Amino acid sequence: QKEVEQNSGPLSVPEGAIASLNCTYSDRVSQSFFWYRQYSGKSPELIMSIYSNGDKEDGRFTAQLNKASQYVSLLIRDSQPSDSATYLCAGFSSGSARQLTFGSGTQLTVLP
Amino acid sequence: GAVVSQHPSRVICKSGTSVKIECRSLDFQATTMFWYRQFPKQSLMLMATSNEGSKATYEQGVEKDKFLINHASLTLSTLTVTSAHPEDSSFYICSARPGGTSGNQETQYFGPGTRLLVL
Repeated sequence: QKEVEQNSGPLSVPEGAIASLNCTYSDRVSQSFFWYRQYSGKSPELIMSIYSNGDKEDGRFTAQLNKASQYVSLLIRDSQPSDSATYLCAGFSSGSARQLTFGSGTQLTVLP
Repeated sequence: GAVVSQHPSRVICKSGTSVKIECRSLDFQATTMFWYRQFPKQSLMLMATSNEGSKATYEQGVEKDKFLINHASLTLSTLTVTSAHPEDSSFYICSARPGGTSGNQETQYFGPGTRLLVL
């Protein structure tokens, strides 16, 4: 099993809808998670971090962490065409270096 | 805050030459910097972890003699691709993690990336 797995998509949603992005992780990943957004040709941009079980909201974004089921998700409410990008889920690999390990990314397209 | 810059943003070079890429944390001190490589339509691949004042730790399969990393200060790390070949053409991205009391030590901030094309 990969350390961090994402459905690569592509995922398409209409403008104004809720986009749901999911990520699962293995035991080799510690329980601090990050969602990054990456536009084509650009570097990743941090959207949210989540460390505790439950929901964390920031504007239109809500991150959810379920440690028992080992999954983390990102909900984007009122999706906009500008949200179209690849979303990367990341967690820390076990060990002292605290290196981020990334999922393969989910490509999201918000249709106007 | 938490801005990371990279230079150059784009470089084209001939096969066999060396290319140096700089990564700077502009408004925080970064005891640890990371170098990633990303090929088209693929996720980021960690190449090495760079700690200020010590040797870099390379990931399996990454040649340390080909990808030289220097982290001489708390705000600057450099990656030198030596004797570059066309297969080294890729998008190279650095990230920096704040150290000490500089901020959230859990978060990595990415530079804008350097696109390398080796002819």
